[in-house]
Amino acid sequence: GAVVSQHPSRVICKSGTSVKIECRSLDFQATTMFWYRQFPKKSLMLMATSNEGSKATYEQGVEKDKFLINHASLTLSTLTVTSAHPEDSSFYICSAADSLSGANVLTFGAGSRLTVL
Amino acid sequence: GESVGLHLPTLSVQEGDNSIINCAYSNSASDYFIWYKQESGKGPQFIIDIRSNMDKRQGQRVTVLLNKTVKHLSLQIAATQPGDSAVYFCAENGPGGYNKLIFGAGTRLAVHP
Repeated sequence: GAVVSQHPSRVICKSGTSVKIECRSLDFQATTMFWYRQFPKKSLMLMATSNEGSKATYEQGVEKDKFLINHASLTLSTLTVTSAHPEDSSFYICSAADSLSGANVLTFGAGSRLTVL
Repeated sequence: GESVGLHLPTLSVQEGDNSIINCAYSNSASDYFIWYKQESGKGPQFIIDIRSNMDKRQGQRVTVLLNKTVKHLSLQIAATQPGDSAVYFCAENGPGGYNKLIFGAGTRLAVHP
């Protein structure tokens, strides 16, 4: 089945630094990937839609300059949290659907837990 | 804005019993619904989906029921097992398309031996 890999699974950084999280579709191509954020014991909140070869589409209230998204290939999207602060600490999850299968079934990555000190 | 919500935040059941997790959605235009299971520290795992032209769909030990009249969705798990313990989310397709999902608040299912 379709597999989405996220890296790193856990990252701790100092306040003010930037952190990059990768989302890869391992055995399929994804022209679109989605980035979610999840706080403890809360639901997933869609942050942005990552579009291969074009700009990401951000949800209302999500800072574009804070959360940089790059989707340079059909199998890789990256989320960079710039100048991270403790309030950016969260569980970040990406998802993707096979562009060719037409099944419309999203596969989620295992998530990346960011802790900003 | 419109959102997906859940009636029960926590559900405790005995092993072997059937579990029913409920979800209310508010966007009458939604036509695709999915149930996900999320274990601690992991990403959501697809369980079952249903389109609005159906009112019931069955999988292995799971059944999803859709009542469009009252905008209600439920997930039934038969013979619940300890491995079913997790948080369950319902999701609906957002206005951006089938893959742009809006998630409900989640229900934690605790299965006791």
